[in-house]
Amino acid sequence: AQSVSQHNHHVILSEAASLELGCNYSYGGTVNLFWYVQYPGQHLQLLLKYFSGDPLVKGIKGFEAEFIKSKFSFNLRKPSVQWSDTAEYFCAVNARGNNRLAFGKGNQVVVIP
Amino acid sequence: DAGVIQSPRHEVTEMGQEVTLRCKPISGHNSLFWYRQTMMRGLELLIYFNNNVPIDDSGMPEDRFSAKMPNASFSTLKIQPSEPRDSAVYFCASSFGAGLAGDTDTQYFGPGTRLTVL
Repeated sequence: AQSVSQHNHHVILSEAASLELGCNYSYGGTVNLFWYVQYPGQHLQLLLKYFSGDPLVKGIKGFEAEFIKSKFSFNLRKPSVQWSDTAEYFCAVNARGNNRLAFGKGNQVVVIP
Repeated sequence: DAGVIQSPRHEVTEMGQEVTLRCKPISGHNSLFWYRQTMMRGLELLIYFNNNVPIDDSGMPEDRFSAKMPNASFSTLKIQPSEPRDSAVYFCASSFGAGLAGDTDTQYFGPGTRLTVL
């Protein structure tokens, strides 16, 4: 079964700073990759996803992620964060052919105005 | 599109009582997932259905938990009897695909039910 690792569970940064959240997965086959965001008190919303093609994926709200197959990674980035980006961010993976998603533990991001 | 609908949004009950959580997936989606979220364990998949059939229930904690999907537009998660350690937010999600066609695997989440067992 696939597993997902997210490091630096708590991240605190100031507005306009750049954000990068790491995501590594363990599975040797073809995968689908996702980043979800959960704003305080709300449900998970899809931020971006990768299935195939260009490994640099652009999502909503200025976020992007890069799939590096050789590193089993799918890191999330945003060049300049805003206070409204305060949320928890989850990386998720499923093996192609199995729609069971494996989630990472999440990154709690706090942006200070 | 109304998205995934869950009810109730909040449930407070006493230990030993039966709890039923409800979910209506997005119309046309044929896969439905139940998750539990706690501070300690994060997001855990409890069970998922494809075309109303349970495919993987290995995440269901114990026999006190049961889930049904009598038709394509409705699912329930039941806890009987409930215990304080069941307190969590329970999310339902749905997707169009069955893990075969890539883009259809995207899961869309409902607002969740916050369960508190006293």
